[in-house]
Amino acid sequence: SSELTQDPAVSVALGQTVRITCQGDNLRSFSASWYQQKPGQAPVLVIYDKNNRPSGIPDRFSGFSSGNTASLTVTGAQAEDEADYYCSSRGISSYYWVFGGGTKLTVL
Amino acid sequence: QVQLVQSGAEVKKPGASVKVSCKAFGYTFTSHYMHWVRQAPGEGLEWMAVINCNDGRTTYAQKFQGRVTVTRDTSTSTVYIEINSLTSEDTADYYCARDFSRGETSWWFDPWGQGTLVTVSS
Repeated sequence: SSELTQDPAVSVALGQTVRITCQGDNLRSFSASWYQQKPGQAPVLVIYDKNNRPSGIPDRFSGFSSGNTASLTVTGAQAEDEADYYCSSRGISSYYWVFGGGTKLTVL
Repeated sequence: QVQLVQSGAEVKKPGASVKVSCKAFGYTFTSHYMHWVRQAPGEGLEWMAVINCNDGRTTYAQKFQGRVTVTRDTSTSTVYIEINSLTSEDTADYYCARDFSRGETSWWFDPWGQGTLVTVSS
């Protein structure tokens, strides 16, 4: 099992807001980053360093972190946001990295 | 434009080895570390290893220690991952991803290569 825990699946109505969470003791010491992966494609960075968006990522994506929980919020979800989302952070005990198990976001 | 371009799909028999390449474009190769991440069919992402593209130092996930080797060639801005003693459980998409960091508390991967499918089958 992963050091980072995510809900396997979340759904949201078109245009509504959804939050995807990631829990792990790593997150008390290290920041989370978030990746979007659509079927048949490589992952794409959507949030880094807790709440920063790379250029080209819509501002409806935002991040937040407190204690052992990081979250990715999609405000006004669009059909194209339907994807798998993974959090990542450094390992708690040594120099390695981990991913959460992923959350499948369905936009209804 | 920053881009990572990986080698093509491979089909290998159990017990064989495979070497996948990742060529970097659009940035100073030696200024960043490079990670390898794999994804088995229908599964999540699994971190495998990281290499310092400047001095070649590597760190591996404990699971892959002794069976995986990551190297780099600075003359061609290419990173390689070699996996030995393949089994069907190594069937996966293998991705390289450039490392970014801020201080000693924040890391992220951007961009990612397009992925290389390695299929292990008798």
